[in-house]
Amino acid sequence: GESVGLHLPTLSVQEGDNSIINCAYSNSASDYFIWYKQESGKGPQFIIDIRSNMDKRQGQRVTVLLNKTVKHLSLQIAATQPGDSAVYFCAEGGSNFGNEKLTFGTGTRLTIIP
Amino acid sequence: GAVVSQHPSRVICKSGTSVKIECRSLDFQATTMFWYRQFPKQSLMLMATSNEGSKATYEQGVEKDKFLINHASLTLSTLTVTSAHPEDSSFYICSAPVGGGFTDTQYFGPGTRLTVL
Repeated sequence: GESVGLHLPTLSVQEGDNSIINCAYSNSASDYFIWYKQESGKGPQFIIDIRSNMDKRQGQRVTVLLNKTVKHLSLQIAATQPGDSAVYFCAEGGSNFGNEKLTFGTGTRLTIIP
Repeated sequence: GAVVSQHPSRVICKSGTSVKIECRSLDFQATTMFWYRQFPKQSLMLMATSNEGSKATYEQGVEKDKFLINHASLTLSTLTVTSAHPEDSSFYICSAPVGGGFTDTQYFGPGTRLTVL
């Protein structure tokens, strides 16, 4: 399944399938991008980050893709599990990475269907 | 991994009272911490940057006299909501940057749910 974070805030995916969450960021000068996962009533949990000099970075079951030409960021989650159900936020920052303020996107709610 | 804690996790207060929220970095030092607020089903909005040893930097539209920030040590920042009103009811979350990995990363606390009656 695929979602554009700003226009389709909800995404439902069958357990075991792959999911793609998209984010359009606003500042072409941003140097740092992060994906956070937030479960209900909890603080955001860091998933993965990427610098502007990269276009792809992989973690455990997650991949972040960055397309600076169109200011687009995506999070791919492989083999989704029920525990992946949460709201996912992209965030952008400057060249001081996590040491300076982050601007968050609107978020996408991912629901994994058992 | 890096842990950021907040206290209390939930607070209910009467209108006109002041509420203090603590943010601690448990296993690392943080010269900078960030305070965000989040309304239901909305994104996080940065309120201010807390700096150890100097004044906090507030975002546009955030009243510094209403939201007092004190970065008392390298592991503690406090946010005091003064003369709280129902419209201040929100989820307040702090974060702190941690280095040593791929890049410096902001880790978030669990949040504090403030309800003003």
